[in-house]
Amino acid sequence: KAGVTQTPRYLIKTRGQQVTLSCSPISGHRSVSWYQQTPGQGLQFLFEYFSETQRNKGNFPGRFSGRQFSNSRSEMNVSTLELGDSALYLCASTGTGFSGANVLTFGAGSRLTVL
Amino acid sequence: AQSVSQHNHHVILSEAASLELGCNYSYGGTVNLFWYVQYPGQHLQLLLKYFSGDPLVKGIKGFEAEFIKSKFSFNLRKPSVQWSDTAEYFCAVNKDDYKLSFGAGTTVTVRA
Repeated sequence: KAGVTQTPRYLIKTRGQQVTLSCSPISGHRSVSWYQQTPGQGLQFLFEYFSETQRNKGNFPGRFSGRQFSNSRSEMNVSTLELGDSALYLCASTGTGFSGANVLTFGAGSRLTVL
Repeated sequence: AQSVSQHNHHVILSEAASLELGCNYSYGGTVNLFWYVQYPGQHLQLLLKYFSGDPLVKGIKGFEAEFIKSKFSFNLRKPSVQWSDTAEYFCAVNKDDYKLSFGAGTTVTVRA
């Protein structure tokens, strides 16, 4: 069973540019979440999608957006990049949410460097 | 503000020593609790979880955690660590809102 797949794995952008990251969840998983991991702030929740609907959003500026497609694949976009957006962006999927049988499975992440 | 606190930022110990990592949370009511581990160069993996029932839960690789509701704690333990346990450990809480709130993480270094 394939895991959570994130692309690209590494990318370098310059300030002011925008970036789109992609996530393919485990087959059959319908919930996709995104987290930002940085040395200073740790792991912070960005947003969660289920059946193309955003169910929760973290405390990030509007430059951070996401969407989910009908096949459960998800993308996140960061516009007008800032140096502080350099981070490892993690995608995670689960069946429908959180329960004894459903836990988040994380992908390897997309490491974004903003110069 | 609601939060998850991990007591130690960095723990260094020798092989065969016992490990205990503290985790406290400030959410009231029912919570779901998790420990995740991130080995060097690898992605986050679930060590163990608590949703209900026996407050002593066992996870992979010999880890266990105890949920103490009165103390808002979910401490992770392993009786005898190995060099391969060198990793960063994260405590996380879910409050029925489709997200995990993570602690800052504890880096564990095991010396051979």
